[in-house]
Amino acid sequence: GAGVSQTPSNKVTEKGKYVELRCDPISGHTALYWYRQSLGQGPEFLIYFQGTGAADDSGLPNDRFFAVRPEGSVSTLKIQRTERGDSAVYLCASSLRSGGTGANVLTFGAGSRLTVL
Amino acid sequence: AQKVTQAQTEISVVEKEDVTLDCVYETRDTTYYLFWYKQPPSGELVFLIRRNSFDEQNEISGRYSWNFQKSTSSFNFTITASQVVDSAVYFCALSEAKETSGSRLTFGEGTQLTVNP
Repeated sequence: GAGVSQTPSNKVTEKGKYVELRCDPISGHTALYWYRQSLGQGPEFLIYFQGTGAADDSGLPNDRFFAVRPEGSVSTLKIQRTERGDSAVYLCASSLRSGGTGANVLTFGAGSRLTVL
Repeated sequence: AQKVTQAQTEISVVEKEDVTLDCVYETRDTTYYLFWYKQPPSGELVFLIRRNSFDEQNEISGRYSWNFQKSTSSFNFTITASQVVDSAVYFCALSEAKETSGSRLTFGEGTQLTVNP
């Protein structure tokens, strides 16, 4: 697609429920990133995929959070047993390649706003 | 650990004024990249500029200019003759040049710029 697409744009759930957030990156972008942005703060890194594998998942806050990218394109961020503190905007970004230089420009989606009641 | 500080939480100016957004960073890496992103009310982060640690030349793009000073670890952003459409949250970000982290960005807290007519 022309840009990074994220669905749903808004998700309201109850505490304890399971949630899936989807990211469809720009076609041909091999690198994919998930970030979380709380109100009034900058985005915080969660996980980075190079192709199908998670190259760096050190930003995932705990084992309730998990992400997959089975075919190296679409990615799903999964949150189990949601808590009120998980409420945030979850941003996905993709880039052409990540050759370890840190130079690649990330293109971000509009985000999925998660509200846990 | 990397850190980006944007000390100005909010700035309000009148249209046509010049405004400078400050960014100070911390890193132990000798090779790194600095970025500025704009986040309008729609929520999607828009890339503005990338700078590598070896290039201290200032850059101008239309009404935008950037001043990179390695000696003070600063990468400030100036908007000349501001316009109402410049109203947004602006983020400064730092990327390390490591294979496993790709282009993982560390963001500052952001500066909310409001340009009043």
